[in-house]
Amino acid sequence: RKEVEQDPGPFNVPEGATVAFNCTYSNSASQSFFWYRQDCRKEPKLLMSVYSSGNEDGRFTAQLNRASQYISLLIRDSKLSDSATYLCVVNGGGSYIPTFGRGTSLIVHP
Amino acid sequence: GAGVSQSPSNKVTEKGKDVELRCDPISGHTALYWYRQSLGQGLEFLIYFQGNSAPDKSGLPSDRFSAERTGGSVSTLTIQRTQQEDSAVYLCASSLGTGDYEQYFGPGTRLTVT
Repeated sequence: RKEVEQDPGPFNVPEGATVAFNCTYSNSASQSFFWYRQDCRKEPKLLMSVYSSGNEDGRFTAQLNRASQYISLLIRDSKLSDSATYLCVVNGGGSYIPTFGRGTSLIVHP
Repeated sequence: GAGVSQSPSNKVTEKGKDVELRCDPISGHTALYWYRQSLGQGLEFLIYFQGNSAPDKSGLPSDRFSAERTGGSVSTLTIQRTQQEDSAVYLCASSLGTGDYEQYFGPGTRLTVT
């Protein structure tokens, strides 16, 4: 089983839609979690951290479910500019090397 | 403030040549990571530096790859006797430390081996 798994997609949604991605992780001792966004041929950029109590930033909401070992990202009112690959990152649990998922591709169309 | 910078942004080299890639982390960041990303693929961890500790080289794919970090700041990734399969984008990231700290990435160096 891969350490961090994501559905590669692509998720193809119309503008204004709500879309959610999940990311599962295998190391139950993992301690910190992040979502990054990567545009085509660009570097990953931090989107948001994921706290135990959840985290909301405008149209974006991230949640952590430790019992089931997954994190989620919800995007409301999708914009064309949200089209990108969303990377899940898991840290800790005995390793100081963050583990990246392969990413989920989102395409928002008019 | 200034982010992570990398140079060169693009490098084309002939098979068998050596290349050096440079990374300037964010000032004050003690942790520095190198990754590579092939087209359409995920990030592959290469090497990690934390302060003055010995680097974690567990991700280096072969002994042709090496990296150093001088003075706890600038890092250089060297690839000797380049092969076509080395063609990828090489990304550097830095963070305040290990554990809960998020990483900040540089724009990457796109390496093409002909």
